[in-house]
Amino acid sequence: SQQGEEDPQALSIQEGENATMNCSYKTSINNLQWYRQNSGRGLVHLILIRSNEREKHSGRLRVTLDTSKKSSSLLITASRAADTASYFCATAPGADSWGKLQFGAGTQVVVTP
Amino acid sequence: EAEVAQSPRYKITEKSQAVAFWCDPISGHATLYWYRQILGQGPELLVQFQDESVVDDSQLPKDRFSAERLKGVDSTLKIQPAELGDSAMYLCASSLAGLTQETQYFGPGTRLLVL
Repeated sequence: SQQGEEDPQALSIQEGENATMNCSYKTSINNLQWYRQNSGRGLVHLILIRSNEREKHSGRLRVTLDTSKKSSSLLITASRAADTASYFCATAPGADSWGKLQFGAGTQVVVTP
Repeated sequence: EAEVAQSPRYKITEKSQAVAFWCDPISGHATLYWYRQILGQGPELLVQFQDESVVDDSQLPKDRFSAERLKGVDSTLKIQPAELGDSAMYLCASSLAGLTQETQYFGPGTRLLVL
């Protein structure tokens, strides 16, 4: 079963534009992570936000977390063609530090030059 | 930079045949994960090892799937017999100690097609 649901399922933008995708989840979490997957490849970790954090930045990435709404958003600013990939949120449910990550179905992002 | 290695990258087999996938995690990583990713979906955990011990195999179809990590280093995932519904990408990942706040490092995956 997949705890997270990403929205939208697919996103098409032009280079230079910002891309925003959302993740909703069902149960309380320890942390929420975002991963990127290029076509036919493994996943690459992008950023982790803990349940007591509200916003986090890494380069052109900005992640927000609203635990009251059980949702998170990933913003990619000034997108590049190389950002074309699927983006997955993964939640670590529960209050403790152990437990498996549960991935959503992903948002497929296409950035055209 | 150290990477997770997987082989083969692609596998085509007929249903009822046996298949095996191999994974070599990043050196020093105690935790190894096998995920299955069906096209258009996110990865789903099949089995998690802490060193050589299985700590979670609740989603592993144990009638046909088996996994081992005998010396706590590399690992093998086997399917016998393969079924059409097993067609998917099989991803291996590793992390330092298995804490959820750690980064999981993924290999390139093995894409399985069952005919």
